[in-house]
Amino acid sequence: EVQLVESGGVVVQPGGSLRLSCAASGFTFDDYAMHWVRQAPGKGLEWVSLISWDGGSTYYADSVKGRFTISRDNSKNSLYLQMNSLRAEDTALYYCAKGTGDTGQDAFDIWGQGTMVTVSS
Amino acid sequence: EIVMTQSPATLSVSPGERATLSCRASQSVSSNLAWYQQKPGQAPRLLIYGASTRATGIPARFSGSGSGTEFTLTISSLQSEDFAVYYCQQYNNWPVTFGQGTKVEIK
Repeated sequence: EVQLVESGGVVVQPGGSLRLSCAASGFTFDDYAMHWVRQAPGKGLEWVSLISWDGGSTYYADSVKGRFTISRDNSKNSLYLQMNSLRAEDTALYYCAKGTGDTGQDAFDIWGQGTMVTVSS
Repeated sequence: EIVMTQSPATLSVSPGERATLSCRASQSVSSNLAWYQQKPGQAPRLLIYGASTRATGIPARFSGSGSGTEFTLTISSLQSEDFAVYYCQQYNNWPVTFGQGTKVEIK
């Protein structure tokens, strides 16, 4: 079964750091680009970051550039998001999503169930 | 950044009726447009990519059309399980951007 399972979401204070993980199974992980997408409570979807199949290319939304770092370990079929200098507006459900191709300029065909990040004092 | 605008914000439809959802891009995205369905408490599900290609396992009652800046998702005969929020997404330019969503509710 093709599956993505996120973990690592917690309540963290403003200015704090957090690392999210996404474990992939059921497909050849290193054939595909991977993304992080977030959804604030009651709001729409916001793309956060992309990493190409080999980790050689990464992109970020302006709202997180310089604070978040995406990475992957193809030997562990895992995707990560290191989140630093967290702000209240980063509070959201964070999804990892699989691209349909290897560059990331494509649709997202598999989504995890999300992990909740709450930034609050 | 390309802005995606969906209309209407809410669509009230009776089961069995046809639903037509619109998505407009602030500049051309060619056919690099996807549609997703999201039900409460669930992750989004890919319905359509390439503006008109149904994803694996998506029923034929869902169809997409359009190119450039104007796109449409049509649900030919609404079933009870189709009441949800629908998002369009362009992946032609960075950053990838989503519309604000159209909620399809029971009339």
